[in-house]
Amino acid sequence: DAMVIQNPRYQVTQFGKPVTLSCSQTLNHNVMYWYQQKSSQAPKLLFHYYDKDFNNEADTPDNFQSRRPNTSFCFLDIRSPGLGDAAMYLCATSSGQGDNEKLFFGSGTQLSVL
Amino acid sequence: GDSVTQMEGPVTLSEEACLTINCTYTATGYPSLFWYVQYPGEGLQLLLKATKADDKGSNKGFEATYRKETTSFHLEKGSVQVSDSAVYFCALSEWRQAGTALIFGKGTTLSVSS
Repeated sequence: DAMVIQNPRYQVTQFGKPVTLSCSQTLNHNVMYWYQQKSSQAPKLLFHYYDKDFNNEADTPDNFQSRRPNTSFCFLDIRSPGLGDAAMYLCATSSGQGDNEKLFFGSGTQLSVL
Repeated sequence: GDSVTQMEGPVTLSEEACLTINCTYTATGYPSLFWYVQYPGEGLQLLLKATKADDKGSNKGFEATYRKETTSFHLEKGSVQVSDSAVYFCALSEWRQAGTALIFGKGTTLSVSS
């Protein structure tokens, strides 16, 4: 059974049109992460939440925002997508306690920008 | 900042061949080290980890030893199977203000033929 679920699997948007990607988890984990993975590149951390505390990476563009309305859900909002934002977006969770370094990943959302 | 460098792929092997995927890292502290695997159409999942120097992580016939003196964490398997075909990511942990983040390498694609 999937524990970290990302929807949709494929998302197509137009240049400059806001888009939201969603992630849900059934693990009741404290920490949720968003990574961006471009073709043939390493997954790059955009930001993460520890409970309700939002932690932004220093080099994450302002164009990327996130919301976590409750423990189970986390959203990635791209306010004005550019062609360079086409990528796979990966959501992950960790317990934040004990073996907190093990991340559980969703299958990702492949974003295309036309 | 901390970083991970993996050997370029793709790596193409015949079934039962030996596998080595090289991984080196740069870090200011003493991070935990990981190998994650991504099978086609699935999310990344933890393959093995090591938390301190000289530790050996192992799982499903794969092994990697944390070598502080060479800052390496090479992935090895003595006899690969077709089912091992996947993308393999080396990663290290990096502390954040809240929680732990993983810094990934670019990934190495392994293709095993029968």
